[in-house]
Amino acid sequence: GENVEQHPSTLSVQEGDSAVIKCTYSDSASNYFPWYKQELGKRPQLIIDIRSNVGEKKDQRIAVTLNKTAKHFSLHITETQPEDSAVYFCAAKAGANNLFFGTGTRLTVIP
Amino acid sequence: NAGVTQTPKFQVLKTGQSMTLQCAQDMNHNSMYWYRQDPGMGLRLIYYSASEGTTDKGEVPNGYNVSRLNKREFSLRLESAAPSQTSVYFCASIGLAKNIQYFGAGTRLSVL
Repeated sequence: GENVEQHPSTLSVQEGDSAVIKCTYSDSASNYFPWYKQELGKRPQLIIDIRSNVGEKKDQRIAVTLNKTAKHFSLHITETQPEDSAVYFCAAKAGANNLFFGTGTRLTVIP
Repeated sequence: NAGVTQTPKFQVLKTGQSMTLQCAQDMNHNSMYWYRQDPGMGLRLIYYSASEGTTDKGEVPNGYNVSRLNKREFSLRLESAAPSQTSVYFCASIGLAKNIQYFGAGTRLSVL
């Protein structure tokens, strides 16, 4: 089955700096890659996703890039703010298969 | 439109007790899932139901059973709770039209 690895497990950045979280996947058939944000005590919520027919997608301060050849994808957050502090999960899905999640990255934005 | 609703939000059990976690979605989704979340281990799939009437094991099914009661409801049962089952449990659902998976608010379970 699919194996998704996520790095780093923790990340601290100064407010205003950029944050990058990286994930790799093993199943070349995977074609959907969402990112979820989970605030303390809350449920995971989708913040951005990308499908395998594009290499990059951007939504305001958040962007995701995908390299299908290398089987890795990354989340980029620019101009970080304290409210960006949360745990971020990447995931990968192949067709109708289930989502496979990474182990999460705890992002702390220091004011 | 409430999305995915889980009950209860919190539960404390003694070792050996049983309980059922309830989940319902009102988005007409075909697929439903139960995950457990433990520190540093992300979201691990316990069981899933790809459609009404079907259920399948996920990554960590031991000690759990599920029932897909109808298209809306998917319950998770612990027959004899163990301390290792202390965790936060999330139910989720996903539709066919989009791949977006929606999560319930979670159930925080402690087994003493």
